[in-house]
Amino acid sequence: GDSVTQMEGPVTLSEEAFLTINCTYTATGYPSLFWYVQYPGEGLQLLLKATKADDKGSNKGFEATYRKETTSFHLEKGSVQVSDSAVYFCALRSANAGGTSYGKLTFGQGTILTVHP
Amino acid sequence: DVKVTQSSRYLVKRTGEKVFLECVQDMDHENMFWYRQDPGLGLRLIYFSYDVKMKEKGDIPEGYSVSREKKERFSLILESASTNQTSMYLCASSLRMFGRPLRLNTEAFFGQGTRLTVV
Repeated sequence: GDSVTQMEGPVTLSEEAFLTINCTYTATGYPSLFWYVQYPGEGLQLLLKATKADDKGSNKGFEATYRKETTSFHLEKGSVQVSDSAVYFCALRSANAGGTSYGKLTFGQGTILTVHP
Repeated sequence: DVKVTQSSRYLVKRTGEKVFLECVQDMDHENMFWYRQDPGLGLRLIYFSYDVKMKEKGDIPEGYSVSREKKERFSLILESASTNQTSMYLCASSLRMFGRPLRLNTEAFFGQGTRLTVV
């Protein structure tokens, strides 16, 4: 079945440091890949997505590239801010054999990011 | 803006009680989902529904049931609450594009979550 593996956390960085959160996946078919973010006390929000190989998703200075050859979708940001402190989830959505999808998402375990001033 | 609203932010229930968690979305989405979130385990799918009165089991359906009588509302039911169901519960919805390529499906929108404690 589908699965997503994220790097172990928590991750603690100083402001303006470079961020990488690793994400690898196992899936059949042609999955779409997502990063969601959860700020303290809130639900999940979509951060970025990529729907096919070599696509790059980007938003708010975050980027991730869909690498089919390494089955990876690593999240990066060049200079983090205190306001980026949150839990980050990598997720995939794949189609069944008939090519349809009900939109089910499979999530990684989440990575807690804390950014200090 | 899409809004997914969960009826309670915090709930405390006793073991053996029947518990109802309600979720309402206002964007006419076909798909609705219930996940539970536990530290170190991420989000795990309990049940989902792709249409009114339709429901499908997710990865961890045991001890739960659902109801979808109206398109905008999806209820999660704990038939007899147990302490191992203490968790954060998240509802989500998304639009389903019939007959369209998968990549055109919209993102999933999440509610704020309900933190349930069973004592």
